[in-house]
Amino acid sequence: GAVVSQHPSWVICKSGTSVKIECRSLDFQATTMFWYRQFPKQSLMLMATSNEGSKATYEQGVEKDKFLINHASLTLSTLTVTSAHPEDSSFYICSAGGAGTQETQYFGPGTRLLVL
Amino acid sequence: AQTVTQSQPEMSVQEAETVTLSCTYDTSESDYYLFWYKQPPSRQMILVIRQEAYKQQNATENRFSVNFQKAAKSFSLKISDSQLGDAAMYFCVYNTNAGKSTFGDGTTLTVKP
Repeated sequence: GAVVSQHPSWVICKSGTSVKIECRSLDFQATTMFWYRQFPKQSLMLMATSNEGSKATYEQGVEKDKFLINHASLTLSTLTVTSAHPEDSSFYICSAGGAGTQETQYFGPGTRLLVL
Repeated sequence: AQTVTQSQPEMSVQEAETVTLSCTYDTSESDYYLFWYKQPPSRQMILVIRQEAYKQQNATENRFSVNFQKAAKSFSLKISDSQLGDAAMYFCVYNTNAGKSTFGDGTTLTVKP
């Protein structure tokens, strides 16, 4: 099956620092990946669509300068939370279509970010 | 824009019994995909079952089955012979061909021993 990994799984940082989260498709190539944010006991909120070789597409209300997305290769997308603040603390999840079938998304295990 | 509604924030079922989780959606598209994902306490999203909108036959995966009513825009999940490991938050998800997902608010399922 299609496997998506995320690194790190847990990160604690000081307010004002930047944090980079990696999302990798391990056994398939993904031209498109998606980034989500999830608060406790709530649903996933789509933040942006990451496109390999081009700029990401952000959902309304998501600050593109705050959440920088880079899709450098067909197996790697990164989300950088710049100048993080406590309100950015959340659970971030990425997803990618498996084996060329975009309509079925496989999710990474998520990254818990805590900003102090 | 598509919307997905899960009207049951919480459900509980006795072990070995059957439970049905409800989901309705709204779309103007004719070609789309529907999914149920499970999110246990580990928070890893796990694909439970998928349904192509163009298929009339309801999808089944072992103890999991769906009742897909395209005209009514309804997509319920039935879990038979519930097990303790089925306890999780379940999300009904609508996907476009490009993989863009719209999530319902989720239903937390508790399984009682």
